[in-house]
Amino acid sequence: GAVVSQHPSRVICKSGTSVKIECRSLDFQATTMFWYRQFPKQSLMLMATSNEGSKATYEQGVEKDKFLINHASLTLSTLTVTSAHPEDSSFYICSARVAGGPGEQYFGPGTRLTVT
Amino acid sequence: AQSVTQLDSQVPVFEEAPVELRCNYSSSVSVYLFWYVQYPNQGLQLLLKYLSGSTLVKGINGFEAEFNKSQTSFHLRKPSVHISDTAEYFCAVARFLGGSQGNLIFGKGTKLSVKP
Repeated sequence: GAVVSQHPSRVICKSGTSVKIECRSLDFQATTMFWYRQFPKQSLMLMATSNEGSKATYEQGVEKDKFLINHASLTLSTLTVTSAHPEDSSFYICSARVAGGPGEQYFGPGTRLTVT
Repeated sequence: AQSVTQLDSQVPVFEEAPVELRCNYSSSVSVYLFWYVQYPNQGLQLLLKYLSGSTLVKGINGFEAEFNKSQTSFHLRKPSVHISDTAEYFCAVARFLGGSQGNLIFGKGTKLSVKP
């Protein structure tokens, strides 16, 4: 149980275009999902917290107009990187928190974004 | 605020040798402690966690960790490693929020390389 999927696993896009990444909790409901960014050989940095039915909470320094987050249902959150630039190339990982539970997070497999 | 320090960025070790990956944390409030493993191009998998109770925590794949409050440490150990243990290991803390946990804060990671 407690499986989180991400789609796509890998995406290459051209500079200036937008790309959407999906995060799904497959066998549980998640009122809260988290989006992390990981640069090569570095740790995970929390970008934003996504709550179902409300606006996402962004960490300091993360541009909310560039990284659009939508948490439309209890099993799906999406991250859209708008007007992508090469410096947005990174590994994006989502996690989901079980609704009503003590707060443990389950992580997705990640999405490798490359902007050319 | 909470912070996590993983003292070793890389730990090379021979197969079947014991290993210890060090983690120290700082926090002025009660925290939960976690160890995650990340294989190349994959998301994070929970190895073990300390929420309360016994300070010696056993996890998956033969790993264990000991919570030491006086030394603010949560070192990860395995008595005999395998080639398949080669991966990046992250220590993380989450603030205790009256029965639930706050956001995860990760250390910078330790790359464990197991050699034959």
